[in-house]
Amino acid sequence: ILNVEQSPQSLHVQEGDSTNFTCSFPSSNFYALHWYRWETAKSPEALFVMTLNGDEKKKGRISATLNTKEGYSYLYIKGSQPEDSATYLCAFIGYGGSQGNLIFGKGTKLSVKP
Amino acid sequence: DTGVSQDPRHKITKRGQNVTFRCDPISEHNRLYWYRQTLGQGPEFLTYFQNEAQLEKSRLLSDRFSAERPKGSFSTLEIQRTEQGDSAMYLCASSLPTDTQYFGPGTRLTVL
Repeated sequence: ILNVEQSPQSLHVQEGDSTNFTCSFPSSNFYALHWYRWETAKSPEALFVMTLNGDEKKKGRISATLNTKEGYSYLYIKGSQPEDSATYLCAFIGYGGSQGNLIFGKGTKLSVKP
Repeated sequence: DTGVSQDPRHKITKRGQNVTFRCDPISEHNRLYWYRQTLGQGPEFLTYFQNEAQLEKSRLLSDRFSAERPKGSFSTLEIQRTEQGDSAMYLCASSLPTDTQYFGPGTRLTVL
């Protein structure tokens, strides 16, 4: 059974704080890792798709890194804003498995206080 | 708005009733996925279609669940004889092959 773990489960920060979360996944048969942001009552929004070991991606104040050899990815948010409050999900796709079905972690719920 | 729509957004039903959900994907996407999220868990894969062909079903998809995508466009997910354990958020996503999956807002099912 493939397991994707995310930590912490929840995080409360003040506006302006920088923060980061961790996603751990199986290091064997890696194909891709996805990050999504899911705000309440909205659709999960795709943030990044990461495929190469050492990959770093950035979108505004949010960035992510990938280490496929040790099986982890970090998501960083610089200068958190209240609108960053959401659940951040990572999802793993492995080779030899289904053609693209995502295996999700439980998510990290971020709350940013003004 | 990702371009994927789901209907209804909320459904409350009594145990034993049948329910049907609809997903309209992004029009040029030939892949369509269904996921289910229960409280405290991440979304779990249920099934996926490439065009009208249902290519994979999770063991989570019991005999009471059936999904269709008759013309390779919209899809329906039907649950027969609902049970309280079916209460969950049902998410639909669409994509091009090997590309990012774009999710709809989900249908929240409550079985009383």
